[in-house]
Amino acid sequence: ILNVEQSPQSLHVQEGDSTNFTCSFPSSNFYALHWYRWETAKSPEALFVMTLNGDEKKKGRISATLNTKEGYSYLYIKGSQPEDSATYLCAFPLQGAQKLVFGQGTRLTINP
Amino acid sequence: SAVISQKPSRDICQRGTSLTIQCQVDSQVTMMFWYRQQPGQSLTLIATANQGSEATYESGFVIDKFPISRPNLTFSTLTVSNMSPEDSSIYLCSASDPMVSQYFGPGTRLLVL
Repeated sequence: ILNVEQSPQSLHVQEGDSTNFTCSFPSSNFYALHWYRWETAKSPEALFVMTLNGDEKKKGRISATLNTKEGYSYLYIKGSQPEDSATYLCAFPLQGAQKLVFGQGTRLTINP
Repeated sequence: SAVISQKPSRDICQRGTSLTIQCQVDSQVTMMFWYRQQPGQSLTLIATANQGSEATYESGFVIDKFPISRPNLTFSTLTVSNMSPEDSSIYLCSASDPMVSQYFGPGTRLLVL
């Protein structure tokens, strides 16, 4: 059974503060790691697809890093805004295929 | 990127009944999938919807409970049969082409009483 774990499960952050959370995944047979943002009543939105050890990707105030040898990825949000409130999901493709195994998500709430 | 719509967006159903969820993609895609998220749980893959043939189900999911159709490259349906309260979940369809990130529909929120 493939285990993808995210921590923390929920997080409350003051507007303007920066924050980060973690995704842990099996380090063997690594293919890629996906990050999604899922706002209530909307479609999960693809943020990043990370494939190389040491990769760092950035999209506005959000960035992510990848360590495939130790099996973790961090997602960082700089200067949090209320619109960042969402559940952030990481996902690990199964056997290099398009089937994704998801973590439970980190539910982020930004307090104005 | 593909735009995916789902119908219905939400429903409240009585136990023992069945609900069919529709998923429409605005372009032809190679692969379509159905996921569910039960309360407090991870998004879990139910099955891969194969165009013109039977769906491929993940462990713990069976065709009799979750029949799936995919008559063409842009449309699929998932039926939740003989529902019980444990089937209360968010059901999402997704679509992708090889080497491309998956795109998701907005989900169908199902409550079974």
